[in-house]
Amino acid sequence: KNEVEQSPQNLTAQEGEFITINCSYSVGISALHWLQQHPGGGIVSLFMLSSGKKKHGRLIATINIQEKHSSLHITASHPRDSAVYICAVGNTDKLIFGTGTRLQVFP
Amino acid sequence: NAGVTQTPKFQVLKTGQSMTLQCAQDMNHEYMSWYRQDPGMGLRLIHYSVGAGITDQGEVPNGYNVSRSTTEDFPLRLLSAAPSQTSVYFCASSYAGQGALYEQYFGPGTRLTVT
Repeated sequence: KNEVEQSPQNLTAQEGEFITINCSYSVGISALHWLQQHPGGGIVSLFMLSSGKKKHGRLIATINIQEKHSSLHITASHPRDSAVYICAVGNTDKLIFGTGTRLQVFP
Repeated sequence: NAGVTQTPKFQVLKTGQSMTLQCAQDMNHEYMSWYRQDPGMGLRLIHYSVGAGITDQGEVPNGYNVSRSTTEDFPLRLLSAAPSQTSVYFCASSYAGQGALYEQYFGPGTRLTVT
């Protein structure tokens, strides 16, 4: 069993829909990261969180340390949100990555 | 700031050849790392460094060497390329502290094919 599991693996949505991507992990961590990989391959960091909730624009990330679970929400989804979203967990010197959730948002 | 730069963007090698993938960052980050990304798998850590002169192995280190002589540069050397090393390679850097790695900055990636 992978130490970081993401669901769903693939997700399609209509523009304007509310999106939720889930991440569960089985190891002790000091922080959890959400990343976005563009269709062209570039990877950017969206959030780093160790407790609670963070919001940036239409993106919201939450984490429940006791349940070892995090969610990434996208409100009012747009075709430009189409990308692979990656969850990673880690400590002081290593990150372990999930296999990603491929999101396609259609107009 | 240029952020994290990687060269080359694309490379084709023959089995047995060696090469160095270059990675540099201008953000004074202590932590640098190399990952490979293969279809259907998450990014896997090859080697990492927590500061100049300090390197350590990740999950898949075999066939790769690294060194960190300066804070800015973290080259990855393939000693004798094998087809199993065909992959996309990413370098990343970040600050580290208080028991955690902070926001990760990734290079644009190097697509390597070994024939």
